Amino acid sequence: ELKVEQNPLFLSMQEGKNYTIYCNYSTTSDRLYWYRQDPGKSLESLFVLLSNGAVKQEGRLMASLDTKARLSTLHITAAVHDLSATYFCAVLTYNNNDMRFGAGTRLTVKP
Amino acid sequence: DTEVTQTPKHLVMGMTNKKSLKCEQHMGHRAMYWYKQKAKKPPELMFVYSYEKLSINESVPSRFSPECPNSSLLNLHLHALQPEDSALYLCASSQTGGLTEAFFGQGTRLTVV
Repeated sequence: ELKVEQNPLFLSMQEGKNYTIYCNYSTTSDRLYWYRQDPGKSLESLFVLLSNGAVKQEGRLMASLDTKARLSTLHITAAVHDLSATYFCAVLTYNNNDMRFGAGTRLTVKP
Repeated sequence: DTEVTQTPKHLVMGMTNKKSLKCEQHMGHRAMYWYKQKAKKPPELMFVYSYEKLSINESVPSRFSPECPNSSLLNLHLHALQPEDSALYLCASSQTGGLTEAFFGQGTRLTVV
């Protein structure tokens, strides 16, 4: 069964600092997603990663994928308050379109 | 059009009621999903439909009954629910191959009283 582990679960950062969220998964995957969720809202797609070594950046967020290590990272650069949210990674396998989520990282950015 | 539309947005139902949640997408996606999300928890996979056939059923209680009448629509029929079934129900769709996003609807906030 596909398992997805994410850490840390809680992250309190000061504005201007850098940090990394980690996402490990248990089986060969075909696609990895990062989502953002604000309280009471649905999921907003941030990144889709497919191939080994893929790196994508949008603003202060950068995601990477190492399929051999079954590891993805979401790096936050010079955090700002607007980045406060819960971040989820999700892994999809094509054979039956199984898509599972990590536990989520609740990020709080303080001034 | 990159939208997944869910209706209703909010639903309050009694334990003896029958109701349905609806989900629609027009992106040509052939995989559609139902997730249940409790407060401060990750989305929990309930059902997956691939090419209108049920491919995953995560041992969900029979009081939840999914239906995929065509490639654009996904329903979740609810009957005799319990208060612990109160949650945000999310629908998603994705392509069955390729580097594409999986899109989520805005969700239905369900309260069982």
